[in-house]
Amino acid sequence: DQQVKQNSPSLSVQEGRISILNCDYTNSMFDYFLWYKKYPAEGPTFLISISSIKDKNEDGRFTVFLNKSAKHLSLHIVPSQPGDSAVYFCAASVDTGNTPLVFGKGTRLSVIA
Amino acid sequence: DTGVSQDPRHKITKRGQNVTFRCDPISEHNRLYWYRQTLGQGPEFLTYFQNEAQLEKSRLLSDRFSAERPKGSFSTLEIQRTEQGDSAMYLCASSLAWGELFFGEGSRLTVL
Repeated sequence: DQQVKQNSPSLSVQEGRISILNCDYTNSMFDYFLWYKKYPAEGPTFLISISSIKDKNEDGRFTVFLNKSAKHLSLHIVPSQPGDSAVYFCAASVDTGNTPLVFGKGTRLSVIA
Repeated sequence: DTGVSQDPRHKITKRGQNVTFRCDPISEHNRLYWYRQTLGQGPEFLTYFQNEAQLEKSRLLSDRFSAERPKGSFSTLEIQRTEQGDSAMYLCASSLAWGELFFGEGSRLTVL
């Protein structure tokens, strides 16, 4: 049973436009959410996080939105750049990051020049 | 380089053989995690340590798997009597108690 779901395996976006990656979760105990980015032959790298006490967190071109009632979060990248092409994983944790992260299956983003 | 390092990066072995992976975390991080990733899946949690204590093990970690972190620094993950289903990328990550995970580049295992 997947507690963290990324239902879109892939997404293709033109350079300069907005990329929106979605993530749904089922465990209402999750209170800390993160996005990781992964390039081929590398380990995942942390991108941005959000605590359940917030509904938005922004870091440069990256913004994460959290809708607790819908158990849904999204990552917005604007403007998208070719270097953003990677696999993006949504992850969640209970107890504000004090328990191991549970990951989704990932979404492969391709930004086309 | 002060990131998480894993060794070996690639391992090809025959079914039934034992393999061992090593992870050196970021030096000041007291938590160390092992994850496994197969094709088309996200990282799946296997086990984690706080200092030298193994605090949690996933049910994915069968009896053939054992992990240690003897002095609270580096860690090893051993798989005994490997099976083809063990073929995966084994990822190590470290963190401070409340921080995000920093991953190594992974050790890719292929069991023939």
